[in-house]
Amino acid sequence: DAKTTQPPSMDCAEGRAANLPCNHSTISGNEYVYWYRQIHSQGPQYIIHGLKNNETNEMASLIITEDRKSSTLILPHATLRDTAVYYCIVRVTYGGSQGNLIFGKGTKLSVKP
Amino acid sequence: NAGVTQTPKFQVLKTGQSMTLQCAQDMNHEYMSWYRQDPGMGLRLIHYSVGAGITDQGEVPNGYNVSRSTTEDFPLRLLSAAPSQTSVYFCASSYGTSRRETQYFGPGTRLLVL
Repeated sequence: DAKTTQPPSMDCAEGRAANLPCNHSTISGNEYVYWYRQIHSQGPQYIIHGLKNNETNEMASLIITEDRKSSTLILPHATLRDTAVYYCIVRVTYGGSQGNLIFGKGTKLSVKP
Repeated sequence: NAGVTQTPKFQVLKTGQSMTLQCAQDMNHEYMSWYRQDPGMGLRLIHYSVGAGITDQGEVPNGYNVSRSTTEDFPLRLLSAAPSQTSVYFCASSYGTSRRETQYFGPGTRLLVL
């Protein structure tokens, strides 16, 4: 599995866009980039995923560079409730153990008033 | 749908005691898994199952047993609890292990082993 690198912590002002970077320089062509978040003491929550095109849903946008070696999760208007640990995960193709999620330490995002 | 449920929410054990952490889902998901999370750490995979009757080890399986007799349930057994097993345990499920599928997590069980 490709490994990911994320900054340990970031701050963001409430109402501003939060841009969370992730490096995955060893990603292979059939691996997707997934983002999950974990609000304090709760189970992780799926946010978004993508292969090579930019993706957007009601929660966030995902920007993947053309060479796919890095990506950015964008929360367009961060609120205090977005304070959480954000995990960037690269996931191999389906089947057996290859479908497992491997969590790193993630980025602790603190949204401040 | 209740989603993924876990019981108990909190448990205190003495060293050497055994117990079973329960996990159930009502979404007819094929794939289920157990993770543990220690303070300041990410989640680590303990065991997983790709369907009823099929289980396999994850990253940190020692000290834990699992079985999958039904699609809905995936219990995690601690045969002889140790203080090193003090952690928060999360169960997760998804339709399959396809890269297009997302996983749904339960609320967690907080275990303290004295």
